[in-house]
Amino acid sequence: AQSVTQPDIHITVSEGASLELRCNYSYGATPYLFWYVQSPGQGLQLLLKYFSGDTLVQGIKGFEAEFKRSQSSFNLRKPSVHWSDAAEYFCAVSGGATNKLIFGTGTLLAVQP
Amino acid sequence: DAGVIQSPRHEVTEMGQEVTLRCKPISGHDYLFWYRQTMMRGLELLIYFNNNVPIDDSGMPEDRFSAKMPNASFSTLKIQPSEPRDSAVYFCASSSQGYEQYFGPGTRLTVT
Repeated sequence: AQSVTQPDIHITVSEGASLELRCNYSYGATPYLFWYVQSPGQGLQLLLKYFSGDTLVQGIKGFEAEFKRSQSSFNLRKPSVHWSDAAEYFCAVSGGATNKLIFGTGTLLAVQP
Repeated sequence: DAGVIQSPRHEVTEMGQEVTLRCKPISGHDYLFWYRQTMMRGLELLIYFNNNVPIDDSGMPEDRFSAKMPNASFSTLKIQPSEPRDSAVYFCASSSQGYEQYFGPGTRLTVT
């Protein structure tokens, strides 16, 4: 069955520190992978996507993610976190015959001054 | 582009009342998705349309829920009768290819 696992429910980092949010997926075919961010009371904003090609993808707001097929992972990274990055982050997978997005449960990021 | 537009942003209603949520997708997008987000269940896909035709409604929880897309620029999600357990944030999203989805700001529904 298709699934997405975000093992970290809540992460706290200091402003200026580096960040890595983990995402593992289970998908039978070549996946299409996404990271979305949701600020409180807001909708989901697309940060970046991977369809094919270069396994390191760049997104908005200084985020990047690396697709590792051997590990079934698509981790999100940022070298230096800003206080405005505090939000909930969702990893999602789609592809194949269905256009459905399967979301992970989300990781809530808190940023300490 | 204005993005996906949803109305109302907040809705408070009493149990048993009919609720209608509205969505205007991004112009030119041919896929439209309805999601529900709760603390307990996270983000759930309710139904999605392609070229105004419902493709998969397996996520619609009960017959009390119905969705329509009469044209390419408008969709509704109706709950009749509403129940307290329907309280959630409902999101609409649209896509031009079915993969990269753009979300609206959501409608926060409270059923008392």
